[in-house]
Amino acid sequence: ETGVTQSPTHLIKTRGQQVTLRCSSQSGHNTVSWYQQALGQGPQFIFQYYREEENGRGNFPPRFSGLQFPNYSSELNVNALELDDSALYLCASSLSGTGYEQYFGPGTRLTVT
Amino acid sequence: KQEVTQIPAALSVPEGENLVLNCSFTDSAIYNLQWFRQDPGKGLTSLLLIQSSQREQTSGRLNASLDKSSGRSTLYIAASQPGDSATYLCAVTLGDNNDMRFGAGTRLTVKP
Repeated sequence: ETGVTQSPTHLIKTRGQQVTLRCSSQSGHNTVSWYQQALGQGPQFIFQYYREEENGRGNFPPRFSGLQFPNYSSELNVNALELDDSALYLCASSLSGTGYEQYFGPGTRLTVT
Repeated sequence: KQEVTQIPAALSVPEGENLVLNCSFTDSAIYNLQWFRQDPGKGLTSLLLIQSSQREQTSGRLNASLDKSSGRSTLYIAASQPGDSATYLCAVTLGDNNDMRFGAGTRLTVKP
């Protein structure tokens, strides 16, 4: 059984640029959720994808967008980067529906300068 | 609005001690509650998942309880070990948009 993987591990971008982060879900999981974790805080829910459709969204602006592919892998895209976007971005996969355990990847550390 | 609070923010105990971490939430309309462990700069490892209809879950030296009506959960760690040192996070799943709301965590240090 393959766990959740994310790429890249670290990334440095300049304010105003765009970034794409990638996530491969655990084998057999068709739901992917993305979270932003600022230093010293708990993760904050960005959105969830199920069968290639957005299936719930937290309080993040539209410049945070995502995709899910037929193999259930997913991308998080952030446009017009701001300094406050610097954080650890985590993705989690699960079986469909609410109530299933979420399994997290190791995260991507994004630094915006 | 659902708020999740974890107390204490940090805890240091000698090896072998039993300890309790606390999690409280303001809205009892949750689907489930999950406890995670996070090592510095790493992702989250799921420890225990308690469905809203359940009262507790156990895994090895860990026991988590849930009292939905009072908005509380506790994570009990028996016979703590230095390898248990990490940040422990609780999170509740909200049913309306699949939002998982996290506390800020308790940073645990177990001294040899």
